[in-house]
Amino acid sequence: AQSVTQLGSHVSVSEGALVLLRCNYSSSVPPYLFWYVQYPNQGLQLLLKYTTGATLVKGINGFEAEFKKSETSFHLTKPSAHMSDAAEYFCAVTPAGNNRKLIWGLGTSLAVNP
Amino acid sequence: GAGVSQSPSNKVTEKGKDVELRCDPISGHTALYWYRQSLGQGLEFLIYFQGNSAPDKSGLPSDRFSAERTGGSVSTLTIQRTQQEDSAVYLCASSLTPQGGEKLFFGSGTQLSVL
Repeated sequence: AQSVTQLGSHVSVSEGALVLLRCNYSSSVPPYLFWYVQYPNQGLQLLLKYTTGATLVKGINGFEAEFKKSETSFHLTKPSAHMSDAAEYFCAVTPAGNNRKLIWGLGTSLAVNP
Repeated sequence: GAGVSQSPSNKVTEKGKDVELRCDPISGHTALYWYRQSLGQGLEFLIYFQGNSAPDKSGLPSDRFSAERTGGSVSTLTIQRTQQEDSAVYLCASSLTPQGGEKLFFGSGTQLSVL
């Protein structure tokens, strides 16, 4: 069965530093890959997604992610962290044959230090 | 509405009682999803609606769980004879169409605590 692994349940960076949140998926290549973000006291919102085409995907708030089939990864990056980036980040994939049902990672809590 | 609305935001109940959780999706969104997030667990798919029908209810944990959607809009998730393991955050999401890979819009969830 498809699974998603997010390495590091908690990540802490300094303001202005690079943000790297890791996501790996198992088994066969999933059709679609997503990153969702949950800011404090808010609902989950889509950060970015990969469906087809260019493997480097740009999202909101300066985030981007690269789909690497050979590494079964979809890591999320941002060149320079801002205090407002502090949130919970979730990676999700759709299993082959069922595009409507997302399989989720456990999430990574990002803290940004001044 | 402006976003997906869920009520109540918090629900504390006694073991064995029934509970109803409500979801108001974004107006015009045809697809609606229920997910559950238990402590230390990732989001777990429960059920998906397209219009008023549920093509995929494979994630419902037991027959104590049921859901319906009326008028292509509001959905209610009902848990009968609640158990302590039902304690979790129940999330509702909607999307404009049921196309695979469609962006989901989430509500803020209902925190259910079963004592």
